[in-house]
Amino acid sequence: QVQLVQSGAEVRRPGASVKVSCKASGYTFTEYFLHWVRQAPGQGLEWVGWINPHNGGTNYAQKFQGRVAMTRDTPITIVYMEMTSLRSDDTAIYFCVRSRDRWLIEGPLDTWGQGTLLIVSS
Amino acid sequence: SFELTQPLSVSVALGQTARIACGANNIGYRNVNWYQQNPGQAPVLVIYRDNNRPSEIPERFSGSTSANTATLIINGAQAGDEADYFCQVWDSSTVVFGGGTRLTVL
Repeated sequence: QVQLVQSGAEVRRPGASVKVSCKASGYTFTEYFLHWVRQAPGQGLEWVGWINPHNGGTNYAQKFQGRVAMTRDTPITIVYMEMTSLRSDDTAIYFCVRSRDRWLIEGPLDTWGQGTLLIVSS
Repeated sequence: SFELTQPLSVSVALGQTARIACGANNIGYRNVNWYQQNPGQAPVLVIYRDNNRPSEIPERFSGSTSANTATLIINGAQAGDEADYFCQVWDSSTVVFGGGTRLTVL
């Protein structure tokens, strides 16, 4: 079955960086876009961006441009999200999510990872 | 930027029909997706492209759209449907979520 398994919780100081991973399995890795969505404590969902595992192409929400980078390691079917210059308001659960439809960017978000808690605190 | 407006909370009596609205200018021209999120869990896609239901989602979940409002409809609401619900669209190659609605089943 389709599965996304994320790395464990992280704690960082303000100004530091973090790299979160998402291991995909159960489908052809290069055929589906992967997104990152975050959720601050008690808040709603916020889209961070997507990566095309086929060619490494990315698109980030304007709010995060210059501070986030999504990459992939195709042989081991893992995508990464690195965020720099962390602030306290980056404290959130970060979800890795797969697009429902093959090759389609603008479609529903189907399978969700379990989430990775990032705490940014001095 | 494009915004989706949802009520903070909706209440429904057990077994009755719940309707959760998602408002935006001309939302009827867009594909709307809906997600259910239970406390401490990842969201789950319950409706996609306005009124399509993934195979694992019960038939009591459906969706509809009009010019400026998309609606998630839950017929015969059950206690297990009590959760947060988020609408979502695409705008200029970016994903936009509504603020979310807490559904309470009385």
